[in-house]
Formats: sequence, C-alpha cells, structure tokens
Amino acid sequence: DGGITQSPKYLFRKEGQNVTLSCEQNLNHDAMYWYRQDPGQGLRLIYYSQIVNDFQKGDIAEGYSVSREKKESFPLTVTSAQKNPTAFYLCASSLFNYGYTFGSGTRLTVV
Amino acid sequence: QQQVKQSPQSLIVQKGGISIINCAYENTAFDYFPWYQQFPGKGPALLIAIRPDVSEKKEGRFTISFNKSAKQFSLHIMDSQPGDSATYFCAASMLQGGSEKLVFGKGTKLTVNP
Repeated sequence: DGGITQSPKYLFRKEGQNVTLSCEQNLNHDAMYWYRQDPGQGLRLIYYSQIVNDFQKGDIAEGYSVSREKKESFPLTVTSAQKNPTAFYLCASSLFNYGYTFGSGTRLTVV
Repeated sequence: QQQVKQSPQSLIVQKGGISIINCAYENTAFDYFPWYQQFPGKGPALLIAIRPDVSEKKEGRFTISFNKSAKQFSLHIMDSQPGDSATYFCAASMLQGGSEKLVFGKGTKLTVNP
C-alpha cells in the first residue's frame, strides 16, 4: 500500500538537544511538506520541498532544518534554537493540485 | 489574503442531527477546496473536496456547498454519528511558484453525542 510513514510516533528531547523526525513516502509524489500542530492553532507550515535537493521555508521555519536528498525522504531536524518544540509534527506529500496525503504524525515532547 | 477563516471553533451535535462548519477566504486565486478529518493522535485525512466551477458536491452523508461570489464554503454532515466526532479542517489551495500551496483553517472540533 502507498502512503507516508513518519517515525518515531513519540519522541522526547532534552534541553539543548537536536532531534530528527523521519518522513518517508512511496506515493511517487514530488512535493513534500512539514507542518506543526498546536492545540487551537491549526496546521502551520514549517518547510516544503518541490523537488530533490530543493526546499523553501514556510511560515515558522526558525529553529528547524530539512534536507531532501531523495524523492522519497524529507527528514526534519528540530534544533536547540527552537525554544518551544513541544508539538505534534505532521509530514505530507502531494501530487500536483490534488490535495495532500498526511502521515500519522510524531509527537515531540521536551523533557 | 492568504487566510482561510473557519467557524465555529467547536460544535456539539446530537446523534442524527446536521453538523455545519463554515469557511471563508479572500484570495480569488484559490482553485481547490478540500476538507480534512482528523482523529486524536492521527494525521488529517482527505474527506471531500470541491473546485469552484461547481456549487455543491455530495459524498454519502458529507456535502460541500460552495458560494463563489461570497467566497464562502461549508461542510454539512447529515445524520451525524458518534463516529464522526473529530476535528475538521477546511483548506484552500492554489498554484504558487509552480507548486501547490494549501492554506488551512484553524479547525473545528465536532462532538456528536449518542
């Protein structure tokens, strides 16, 4: 079955630590996205990538970094510069103008 | 101009009732309007979508009504069931710089009481 796989499902980060969230898709979609979801805030765009080796900042990119070395993979690194990283992170991919397919999310908690 | 305004923030409906969620947008460049359903701890899933050349689209108990002149669209859930209890997001999409850009409303938490 085609889809998007996010791992891990739960992640705990210590203060000052970088962590990487994985996102893999086998839908052959060109575009991939990372969103952050906080209660009452909806979905806010962190980064997106239209093609391999290219990505753009979204609305809340500060404290995050991404890479797109393969079409299937779009990992997100939450750096120590992100002061409030506790949130639910969602990865999505899209085929040209047909809406997004989302992964099941990673819940990140600072401990 | 990039915003999609969604209301209400929360909605409680009795089983068998009609749930109605409304969204409004400003940017007339939007050309695709999907609705997503999200259960707790899960990612959003595409529920139903419409393009501005039609005024209504129905899939089972779910209907989108679209008013292009008013720049508004709404989701109607007929015969609401407890299993419909979830958060619903409206969205609007347009092509920008060669890629699709999806703008989300802030969501509506629907509770259907048995």
